[in-house]
Amino acid sequence: KQEVTQIPAALSVPEGENLVLNCSFTDSAIYNLQWFRQDPGKGLTSLLLIQSSQREQTSGRLNASLDKSSGRSTLYIAASQPGDSATYLCAVNNQAGTALIFGKGTTLSVSS
Amino acid sequence: GAGVSQTPSNKVTEKGKYVELRCDPISGHTALYWYRQSLGQGPEFLIYFQGTGAADDSGLPNDRFFAVRPEGSVSTLKIQRTERGDSAVYLCASSLTNTDTQYFGPGTRLTVL
Repeated sequence: KQEVTQIPAALSVPEGENLVLNCSFTDSAIYNLQWFRQDPGKGLTSLLLIQSSQREQTSGRLNASLDKSSGRSTLYIAASQPGDSATYLCAVNNQAGTALIFGKGTTLSVSS
Repeated sequence: GAGVSQTPSNKVTEKGKYVELRCDPISGHTALYWYRQSLGQGPEFLIYFQGTGAADDSGLPNDRFFAVRPEGSVSTLKIQRTERGDSAVYLCASSLTNTDTQYFGPGTRLTVL
């Protein structure tokens, strides 16, 4: 059974710092991996999708990497801002492409 | 364009009652998913529709849960004989195909008293 783990569970940084969020998964047979952002009481906003054949994806200050063989992904946030404060969720799409399996998330707080 | 919408935004019901939760996906998206999220947890997969058919319902916890998508667009999640443990936020997502980015709605917060 696929399990997704995110470390750390919570992170507090001062504005301007670069940071890395970690995601690991137990079964490397995935179709793709997605990173989401969730603000309190809100739905999920997709940040990046990495196909299983890709190594990384970039969008603005965000860069996500994927090492499928070792079951790891990282989300790098450059020059963090208070507006980046949210919970970041990692999810892997099972091999059939029918379901996302989520981690519990990392709650990020960026102070000004 | 319009995103995924869900109604109602909040639903309070009593134990043993029947509830229906509605999801309007993004127009043209063939894939539709239901998840539920408990406090402090990531979303948990319930069911996936490709068009009108449930292609994967392996996440439904028991036979009190049922979902339909009769015309391949709007979907309804139905919960019979609700229990207090059913209290959660129910999220709907849609995507162009099942391997594309999933776009989530704001969720329905279900509280069973």
